[in-house]
Amino acid sequence: EAQVTQNPRYLITVTGKKLTVTCSQNMNHEYMSWYRQDPGLGLRQIYYSMNVEVTDKGDVPEGYKVSRKEKRNFPLILESPSPNQTSLYFCASSSVLAGGPSYEQYFGPGTRLTVT
Amino acid sequence: ILNVEQSPQSLHVQEGDSTNFTCSFPSSNFYALHWYRWETAKSPEALFVMTLNGDEKKKGRISATLNTKEGYSYLYIKGSQPEDSATYLCASYNYGGATNKLIFGTGTLLAVQP
Repeated sequence: EAQVTQNPRYLITVTGKKLTVTCSQNMNHEYMSWYRQDPGLGLRQIYYSMNVEVTDKGDVPEGYKVSRKEKRNFPLILESPSPNQTSLYFCASSSVLAGGPSYEQYFGPGTRLTVT
Repeated sequence: ILNVEQSPQSLHVQEGDSTNFTCSFPSSNFYALHWYRWETAKSPEALFVMTLNGDEKKKGRISATLNTKEGYSYLYIKGSQPEDSATYLCASYNYGGATNKLIFGTGTLLAVQP
């Protein structure tokens, strides 16, 4: 079954404690992306990756890191989480055309993160 | 900064009503317009991806049109049902420069009353 998986689904942590949210897709997609969703603000892109070892900043990259060592995986790293990173996070993947996400995005189930 | 705007922000209709929403996007360097359906406690799911001016796509009672010259897309739902209640998101991919981003609007929240 074609899918994007994220782990963990729920996480409560404390300020400053490093954490990683994993994302994996089994569709051989080139494009992967992380979004955060906050009330009234819609989906905002954190980082995206066009392929292995190619990553770039989205609209709200501060406080986050990513890596793309393998095509299927795109982990999101919070080195020192702060309360303003409390949010719902989605990973997504797609094929590419015209150098970008021209095809439909497949979203993971979401990770609800609370930083106290 | 590219802006994608959706209207209305929210909509309450009765079962059986037909409804439509608007998505405005930058027309310069446009490549693709996406529509997603996002139910509460679930992930967004793709409805349509359109690239050509004048394109019209349909899936059951839901259809969408695209005007790339003026930068807008309409999503129509015919005979709304309670199960259509969701947030409908649009997103625009505009190429060029150093970006390969899909810019999302903030969505239209549809509530269909039985």
